[in-house]
Amino acid sequence: DAGVTQSPTHLIKTRGQQVTLRCSPKSGHDTVSWYQQALGQGPQFIFQYYEEEERQRGNFPDRFSGHQFPNYSSELNVNALLLGDSALYLCASSPLAGGDNEQFFGPGTRLTVL
Amino acid sequence: AQTVTQSQPEMSVQEAETVTLSCTYDTSESDYYLFWYKQPPSRQMILVIRQEAYKQQNATENRFSVNFQKAAKSFSLKISDSQLGDAAMYFCASHSNSGYALNFGKGTSLLVTP
Repeated sequence: DAGVTQSPTHLIKTRGQQVTLRCSPKSGHDTVSWYQQALGQGPQFIFQYYEEEERQRGNFPDRFSGHQFPNYSSELNVNALLLGDSALYLCASSPLAGGDNEQFFGPGTRLTVL
Repeated sequence: AQTVTQSQPEMSVQEAETVTLSCTYDTSESDYYLFWYKQPPSRQMILVIRQEAYKQQNATENRFSVNFQKAAKSFSLKISDSQLGDAAMYFCASHSNSGYALNFGKGTSLLVTP
């Protein structure tokens, strides 16, 4: 049973560029959340997708957008990249949103903005 | 909004000894969940233990147990018989039943020495 997968593993971009990160949830999961983890910090919630809709959003600018597909996979898009966007981006999936449902995390995508 | 504070950036323990990691949180919610996640150097975040706020009994998972003090809003993790494989970043996190985001602390880096 494949867990949460993310691609690519690493990515290097320059300021002003746009980036797309991808996530496939664990089998049987229909909810996907995205987190940004800056170096030496805990993950910060970006948003969560359920039934192809953004259900909740954290304190991130509109440059951060997402999408969920009918097969429950998800993309995170970041426009007009800033140096401060350099971080590990984690995707997490769960069978149902909220409650004590465990969120299963992927290995992350390391984004470096030069 | 929920906030989570981990006041110990680094902790060290000898193999086979016991260590306690501290966590405090702030919430106005009455129904919420608390978690400890482990993030080894390989980056994949995994759940160590969870606690439902409405349960008075402290959660236990093998060598891992928590001390949940609801009135004090404290949620510490005790690791007994520490093993080299326990070395990792440990994150305390909260999740209210009215939202979907995990709120993480900044983490505690645990070093296990032989």
